[in-house]
Amino acid sequence: GNSVTQMEGPVTLSEEAFLTINCTYTATGYPSLFWYVQYPGEGLQLLLKATKADDKGSNKGFEATYRKETTSFHLEKGSVQVSDSAVYFCARQGAQKLVFGQGTRLTINP
Amino acid sequence: EAGVAQSPRYKIIEKRQSVAFWCNPISGHATLYWYQQILGQGPKLLIQFQNNGVVDDSQLPKDRFSAERLKGVDSTLKIQPAKLEDSAVYLCASSVDLNTEAFFGQGTRLTVV
Repeated sequence: GNSVTQMEGPVTLSEEAFLTINCTYTATGYPSLFWYVQYPGEGLQLLLKATKADDKGSNKGFEATYRKETTSFHLEKGSVQVSDSAVYFCARQGAQKLVFGQGTRLTINP
Repeated sequence: EAGVAQSPRYKIIEKRQSVAFWCNPISGHATLYWYQQILGQGPKLLIQFQNNGVVDDSQLPKDRFSAERLKGVDSTLKIQPAKLEDSAVYLCASSVDLNTEAFFGQGTRLTVV
């Protein structure tokens, strides 16, 4: 089937800390992988994407690498800011279906 | 470029009433999605259109939910009658086709009391 499993939250970090949010996906077919971010009171915004194995998506200091061998697409940022506080969703698109993980709430304290 | 437009932003109704949501996708996007997002959960696909045809409605509670996209552009999602458990944010998204990234509207927050 098509599914995405995300690291459970919530995650609380101090400003300038290193961030990792884990995401694994089912390996059926050749899916595209995405990270979306949802700021309070807003809709989902595409943060980054990767469409094939070993691709690295990056945006706003965030990165994620499509790892076929571990079926993972972990989100990382070297130094988080208070403005990064939001809910992050990993998503898998394959067989014409776009499926989301359950989301990870991230809070960054000054 | 204009994004995905949804209305209304908020709606409060009593159980057993009906409600309708409207979505205008990005111009030229053939694929349109409706998702339900319950508080604390990830979005769950309700229905997916390609132009004016339904691609997937396997998780749509068809006894009370309906959706249409008659001219392959705007779409409406209706709930009749509403239940308390329908309280959620209803997200509309669109994409160029079935295999490209989706862009989301701001959502409609429905509260059923």
